[in-house]
Amino acid sequence: DAGITQSPRHKVTETGTPVTLRCHQTENHRYMYWYRQDPGHGLRLIHYSYGVKDTDKGEVSDGYSVSRSKTEDFLLTLESATSSQTSVYFCAISRTGELFFGEGSRLTVL
Amino acid sequence: KNEVEQSPQNLTAQEGEFITINCSYSVGISALHWLQQHPGGGIVSLFMLSSGKKKHGRLIATINIQEKHSSLHITASHPRDSAVYICAALFQGAQKLVFGQGTRLTINP
Repeated sequence: DAGITQSPRHKVTETGTPVTLRCHQTENHRYMYWYRQDPGHGLRLIHYSYGVKDTDKGEVSDGYSVSRSKTEDFLLTLESATSSQTSVYFCAISRTGELFFGEGSRLTVL
Repeated sequence: KNEVEQSPQNLTAQEGEFITINCSYSVGISALHWLQQHPGGGIVSLFMLSSGKKKHGRLIATINIQEKHSSLHITASHPRDSAVYICAALFQGAQKLVFGQGTRLTINP
């Protein structure tokens, strides 16, 4: 158990509303990642962080922003949610190269 | 281009059968990961390897660097092994993993 929790685990929202997903870790790992998982696409990297205030884009970053003001928290924000952002979002950390995932956050945008 | 291909996409077998899932990648890698995801569940890391072979219980992962190929084997398969298995490669010089599409394994009793 790498001590990763995601919140909320489930959320239904309407198009155009802002949404923030939170990833919290208890072990002070440097690298944290946000992925989305969709049928037919597998896991795709949205953004990642390699330290406090150090973030970079992944392959599907449009429409998403992130922030990491503390080592333990990595926030993913959808400024104005769209139906195409309906997905399951996974946070992950890297510890000595090994990956540990959160339980996922299922977001539905109506 | 950094690419990862898995085969088969879907695999159905009977309990007790020996299972092999394949993963091929396009260029040199630093590490390759095998992950497991049960239906509706989270994602668990099974193996991380950069050479040779690793074993954990009934699961064995191998990698052939020259052939750019890795396999995940399950011996004496059981219905609880039913899950999606995902390989992911960290390509040399890169900081981000590239994921395969996953293999959906169903083991019937």
